[in-house]
Amino acid sequence: DAGVIQSPRHEVTEMGQEVTLRCKPISGHNSLFWYRQTMMRGLELLIYFNNNVPIDDSGMPEDRFSAKMPNASFSTLKIQPSEPRDSAVYFCASSLTASSGNTIYFGEGSWLTVV
Amino acid sequence: SQQGEEDPQALSIQEGENATMNCSYKTSINNLQWYRQNSGRGLVHLILIRSNEREKHSGRLRVTLDTSKKSSSLLITASRAADTASYFCATDAASGSARQLTFGSGTQLTVLP
Repeated sequence: DAGVIQSPRHEVTEMGQEVTLRCKPISGHNSLFWYRQTMMRGLELLIYFNNNVPIDDSGMPEDRFSAKMPNASFSTLKIQPSEPRDSAVYFCASSLTASSGNTIYFGEGSWLTVV
Repeated sequence: SQQGEEDPQALSIQEGENATMNCSYKTSINNLQWYRQNSGRGLVHLILIRSNEREKHSGRLRVTLDTSKKSSSLLITASRAADTASYFCATDAASGSARQLTFGSGTQLTVLP
């Protein structure tokens, strides 16, 4: 299995630009998670989907952030417009189901720098 | 806010020594998981311990859970340089239909050869 695949791995963009991060979960996994990791705040859950439906988006910082999952094998996290404080590593993760106890598999992350 | 808080924040030991990391949390949980993150990489699941378990082993890893004290510990025995990484505890608590997996701030472990 290829694991969770994220793209791009690294992105540097100017403030005000739109950023789109992409994720392909592990085939057969029904739950998908977007996390953000920074030195100051650690690892924060932004949103998670179950069967392509957003279940909990309470961690999405503000309206500039949006996430979609049009099908079981693809999700995007969009930031528009981007700001320097959005600089972080964004992880996508997936698990077989949303049931407690299921192992969550992480991608390698998208390293975003907004200048 | 972070549910789990690891202690210490950083730990440096010699190869062959044991490493112990602690995690404290605040609310009731279904289970607690430990993850490892190598520099520049994603998190990798190590071990899960359920709320009704007190101890669990996996290879050189030993995890304990004390729900009365809301704390857990991860012991890595006979450490190796390759164990150098950040280690995170994650509390898994269900609230209605929403799964809540909340990560702590991590312990940075350095194993010196």
